[in-house]
Amino acid sequence: DADVTQTPRNRITKTGKRIMLECSQTKGHDRMYWYRQDPGLGLRLIYYSFDVKDINKGEISDGYSVSRQAQAKFSLSLESAIPNQTALYFCATSEKGLNTGELFFGEGSRLTVL
Amino acid sequence: QKEVEQDPGPLSVPEGAIVSLNCTYSNSAFQYFMWYRQYSRKGPELLMYTYSSGNKEDGRFTAQVDKSSKYISLFIRDSQPSDSATYLCAMSLNTGNQFYFGTGTSLTVIP
Repeated sequence: DADVTQTPRNRITKTGKRIMLECSQTKGHDRMYWYRQDPGLGLRLIYYSFDVKDINKGEISDGYSVSRQAQAKFSLSLESAIPNQTALYFCATSEKGLNTGELFFGEGSRLTVL
Repeated sequence: QKEVEQDPGPLSVPEGAIVSLNCTYSNSAFQYFMWYRQYSRKGPELLMYTYSSGNKEDGRFTAQVDKSSKYISLFIRDSQPSDSATYLCAMSLNTGNQFYFGTGTSLTVIP
């Protein structure tokens, strides 16, 4: 089983719908992140959480919200999806204090908003 | 100006070639420099990590950081078809904070 699991892997929805992307991890890491990847724009940080009670906005948080339900679970919500939120979304984790700062990514959730 | 600039390619080389991938950056305070490899339909995986300036070698891969020029490179020697992927550079001020990613360079190694 993957260490960082994202569900769903693919989702097609319509403008205005509420969407939740879920992420769970078995790595025991405190830090979790949500990124979106777009062609020509690379990976951009949406939100990050350093522990259950710590939530921080990233570069592009408008239109998104998150919930850290437990150390192992971090979900991303689009309250009212719009077409320019069509992208590949990645959840990632990292270990506090690890000098490499390595991010461990899930396999991605491809979201299409029509 | 974006924090990190990376030529998106695509780059196509014959098997056995030496590949050079590069990124430039604008923030002189960056201290941690990373290269991630992303295969199609997969999440990125850390390939190389360097702290501050200098070179780091791992098998066929060499990462170089030139902080005076704000320029980092990844060299792949004896490239293999299995190296075909998108390579993303990333950097941060310190570990655990925001990582700044390049847009990625798509590499194809032709057998």
